Amino acid sequence: QVYLVQSGAEVKSPGASVTVSCKVSGYAFTGYYLHWVRQAPGQGLEWMGWINPNNGDTHLVEKFQGRVAMTRDTSISTAYLELSSLGSDDTAVYYCARDLPSVFWGQGTLVTVSS
Amino acid sequence: DIQLTQSPPTLSVSVGDRVTITCRASQSINSWLAWYQQKPGRAPKLLIYKASTLQSGVPSRFSGSESGTEFTLTISSLQPDDFATYYCQHYDNYPRPFGQGTKVEIK
Repeated sequence: QVYLVQSGAEVKSPGASVTVSCKVSGYAFTGYYLHWVRQAPGQGLEWMGWINPNNGDTHLVEKFQGRVAMTRDTSISTAYLELSSLGSDDTAVYYCARDLPSVFWGQGTLVTVSS
Repeated sequence: DIQLTQSPPTLSVSVGDRVTITCRASQSINSWLAWYQQKPGRAPKLLIYKASTLQSGVPSRFSGSESGTEFTLTISSLQPDDFATYYCQHYDNYPRPFGQGTKVEIK
């Protein structure tokens, strides 16, 4: 069975950085792109980009370029989303998903940015 | 970039009603459109892909159709479990935005 298990909730101060992890199991990690989607409280879904776990290539929505990094560690089948220079509008639940459209999603990680 | 315009934002309906949600793309997306259902605190659930292909395990009361750049999600007879928010998303190229969402609520 396919599982995507994300790291736990985080509370960060404005200007800080945060890293969210997504550990997969049940399939070949390098065989599918991993996408990241976020959802601010009470708002819609926002697609952020993807990482190709096979070679580390990434594609980010323009608004996140320079502030967001997507990486992976193939030895432990885990992808990472790092956001820097956090602002209050980064408060959101962050999801990883195996390719899109997908039935395989992580459970979501709440990142709260608050002073 | 391709834009998606989803409507209406909210639908107040009753159990048994027929529900129609529309998603309009700013240009051709070659049927590369998916529909998701999301409930509070949960990850989105894939309902339909390739505009009209029902994901395995999804009840047959859900259906998708397309006419040019206009896509429709229909729930033939709304059930209590269907009260949720619905999103479209294209996957023709990148970026892959979602529609704004349609909240289906109890009348």
